[in-house]
Amino acid sequence: DQQVKQNSPSLSVQEGRISILNCDYTNSMFDYFLWYKKYPAEGPTFLISISSIKDKNEDGRFTVFLNKSAKHLSLHIVPSQPGDSAVYFCAARASGSARQLTFGSGTQLTVLP
Amino acid sequence: KAGVTQTPRYLIKTRGQQVTLSCSPISGHRSVSWYQQTPGQGLQFLFEYFSETQRNKGNFPGRFSGRQFSNSRSEMNVSTLELGDSALYLCASSLDVGYEQYFGPGTRLTVT
Repeated sequence: DQQVKQNSPSLSVQEGRISILNCDYTNSMFDYFLWYKKYPAEGPTFLISISSIKDKNEDGRFTVFLNKSAKHLSLHIVPSQPGDSAVYFCAARASGSARQLTFGSGTQLTVLP
Repeated sequence: KAGVTQTPRYLIKTRGQQVTLSCSPISGHRSVSWYQQTPGQGLQFLFEYFSETQRNKGNFPGRFSGRQFSNSRSEMNVSTLELGDSALYLCASSLDVGYEQYFGPGTRLTVT
C-alpha cells in the first residue's frame, strides 16, 4: 500500500511558467513533509520541507503548500527554468518511534526552453 | 564538509553471487538509511541505522541485510543475487532518524 503517491509520472512546462507538482498521502500520522530533486546519475538533493503545523513554506522560487484535510501537498516552482528539469520526489515522516521517511514514486519535470 | 560517499559506484554481478556496498555518511551524522531505486518504483526503503542499531526496516527479503559501525559508516549486503536486484542503491545520512536526509550518488548494481 503506497502511503505517499505522486500520480503524475511526468510534467512538461514552458520556461518562465509555473510548475506545480502534486503529492497525496494516506497516513494521518505524517507530520513532516519534504521535497527532493534528483538529476540522472546523482543522489536526490533536499529541496524544501514543511511541518504539519504550517500550510505554506517558501524558499526563493520554490513554495510548498500543505492541505492537511485533503492530505495533499504541492510544490510550486516559479518561474521554471531549464535547469529545474529533474525527477522530484515528495517524502513524508510520521510522528512517533517509526520516523523513517516514506517516498513517493517521483515526477519527471521537463522545462522546455 | 564532505558529502555522503558510496563505493563502489558501479558493480556487475551474476545471479547467485553476493555483494557488499559501502556508505560513509557526512561527518557528525549518526543515522544512515538505504534505499533501492528502480525505474517507476521510486525510492524503496530498505533499512535505517542509528548508532549501530537498526531502527527501521522496509519490506525486503532477508537476503538484504546491513550494519553500521561505530564511526557511523554503513554497509549493506545482498546475498544470492537475483536479476530483479538490479537497481540503483542509495545511501542517505542525517543527524537523527526522520531528519532531512543527504544522499550519496548511489551504487549502480547490475545482475546478469
